[in-house]
Amino acid sequence: QVQLVESGGGVVQRGGSLTLSCAASGFSLSTYGIHWVRQAPGKGLEWVAVIKYDGINKYYTDSVRGRFTVSRDTSENMVYLQMSSLRAEDTATYYCARDFKNSWFDYWGQGTLVTVSS
Amino acid sequence: EIVLTQSPVTLSVSPGERATLSCRASQSLSRSLAWYQQKPGQAPRLLIYGASTRATGIPARFSGSGSGTDFTLTISSLQSEDFAVYYCQQYYDWPPFTFGQGTKLEIK
Repeated sequence: QVQLVESGGGVVQRGGSLTLSCAASGFSLSTYGIHWVRQAPGKGLEWVAVIKYDGINKYYTDSVRGRFTVSRDTSENMVYLQMSSLRAEDTATYYCARDFKNSWFDYWGQGTLVTVSS
Repeated sequence: EIVLTQSPVTLSVSPGERATLSCRASQSLSRSLAWYQQKPGQAPRLLIYGASTRATGIPARFSGSGSGTDFTLTISSLQSEDFAVYYCQQYYDWPPFTFGQGTKLEIK
């Protein structure tokens, strides 16, 4: 069955870097894209980035472009979100979610919490 | 960027009653809208896509309607497990994909 498992969250200082991982199983990353969606404590959902099934096309929300990089390793069925120059407003639970044909997000991981401390 | 506005922010309904949640878009989406349910401490779960198609395993008491800029999620007879936060999401024009701010459905 389809499963997504995030890891790599933790506490990082403002201006620091952190890399999140998303382990995918039950499907191939060569067929489906993966989104990153975040949720600040007590707040709503915010789309962050997507890596498309081709591994070439990547898109970011304006607030993270130039600071975050999404990548993947199809041999390991892993997706990564490299985050740098972290700010307090990046504090959130980060979810990876499977992309269904550039549309909705049909499967989600359980999330990993990133806390940026000052 | 397409802005989605959900109303009400909080909805109090008794178990067994009907709940109606609204999502309004800043421009036409055709039918490119999805709904998600999120319970405390859990990831969101896909309920509805294409404005009205239930995702796999979603009970028939959940229904979606609308097109263009106005959309509705209806839960026909609320069960205890339905009390949660509900989000709408558009995929008509991206990036960015955008979500509404959420409607919290609470027990009256």
